[in-house]
Amino acid sequence: AQSVTQPDIHITVSEGASLELRCNYSYGATPYLFWYVQSPGQGLQLLLKYFSGDTLVQGIKGFEAEFKRSQSSFNLRKPSVHWSDAAEYFCAVAAGEYGNKLVFGAGTILRVKS
Amino acid sequence: DVKVTQSSRYLVKRTGEKVFLECVQDMDHENMFWYRQDPGLGLRLIYFSYDVKMKEKGDIPEGYSVSREKKERFSLILESASTNQTSMYLCASSLSGIQGYFGPGTRLTVL
Repeated sequence: AQSVTQPDIHITVSEGASLELRCNYSYGATPYLFWYVQSPGQGLQLLLKYFSGDTLVQGIKGFEAEFKRSQSSFNLRKPSVHWSDAAEYFCAVAAGEYGNKLVFGAGTILRVKS
Repeated sequence: DVKVTQSSRYLVKRTGEKVFLECVQDMDHENMFWYRQDPGLGLRLIYFSYDVKMKEKGDIPEGYSVSREKKERFSLILESASTNQTSMYLCASSLSGIQGYFGPGTRLTVL
């Protein structure tokens, strides 16, 4: 069965520092991968997605992610974190017979210190 | 902008009550989903629907049912609420494929 692992439950970074959030997936074929962000009290917003092609994917808010098949990873990165990036981040993989369901990781809570 | 709305942001119910959570989307999407979100577990799919009156079980359907009588509306029903159903419930919709647009969530407390 498809699964997603986000090894870090909490991460704290200083404002202006770089960020990398880890995501590992388990899937037999080429996966469709997603990163979502959830700000406090809000629903989930799609940051970026990977379906095929270029393995470095650009998203909104200055985020990018790199798909590495050899490592079954899809890590999220940002060169310089802003205080407004404090939120919970979820990695997800498309699953199911028709790939029309999402399987989510447990999430990583990002704290930004000034 | 795609808009997915949920009927309540916060809800408090008693054990054994029948609970209805409503979700409405305004973009004519075929697919609609109900997830529950718990700390440390991420989001887990309860049910989804790919057309009016069609539904499929997700990963944790026990204790829940759904109804989709109109394309824009997808209801989650807790037939007899229990304390272990205290959670955040998120609705999502998508046109095709699986990129989901999420509602703001309903935080349900069952006492």
